[in-house]
Amino acid sequence: EAGVAQSPRYKIIEKRQSVAFWCNPISGHATLYWYQQILGQGPKLLIQFQNNGVVDDSQLPKDRFSAERLKGVDSTLKIQPAKLEDSAVYLCASSGSNYGYTFGSGTRLTVV
Amino acid sequence: QKEVEQDPGPLSVPEGAIVSLNCTYSNSAFQYFMWYRQYSRKGPELLMYTYSSGNKEDGRFTAQVDKSSKYISLFIRDSQPSDSATYLCAMSGYFSGGYNKLIFGAGTRLAVHP
Repeated sequence: EAGVAQSPRYKIIEKRQSVAFWCNPISGHATLYWYQQILGQGPKLLIQFQNNGVVDDSQLPKDRFSAERLKGVDSTLKIQPAKLEDSAVYLCASSGSNYGYTFGSGTRLTVV
Repeated sequence: QKEVEQDPGPLSVPEGAIVSLNCTYSNSAFQYFMWYRQYSRKGPELLMYTYSSGNKEDGRFTAQVDKSSKYISLFIRDSQPSDSATYLCAMSGYFSGGYNKLIFGAGTRLAVHP
């Protein structure tokens, strides 16, 4: 079974610039998650999709972050404009069960 | 109060030691309890999961869940240098709205030295 694919692996941008991350989940997984992991901390849920609908975006900074999941498959997460505190690893995960969450390798974002 | 609290690291042990990692939680809605291992510059990978209270063993790893105390543990026997990683506890359950939610602890960094 292919894993969760994320791109790019690394991104360095200046503050106030925009950036987008892409995720391709495991085929057939209805639920897709975006997590933010700041260095030394556990992953924090940003947004959760069930098929192509949002079920939880309570911790997404909506003034600068947006996400979409077109056709219930791939997803993109965008930040505009970026702030220094957005420097983190952005992890995408997908799930087909209550415990079977599979994570991608993440996109490491550095905002300078 | 955070929903999931995890013992802070880093934890440094000699090879062959028994390692104990712990988490507490506050929300009774959690039903599945997981331990993830995360190597540097990699995404978390599922190590073990337990449904409800009890013990589960897999090789050198044992997961324990005590729902009455809202406390979970991971034990690593005969620890190896290859076990050096960050260990994240995570919990999932159905919340209002009928969807399953996965919440992580902060992670404990473990170093096993030869």
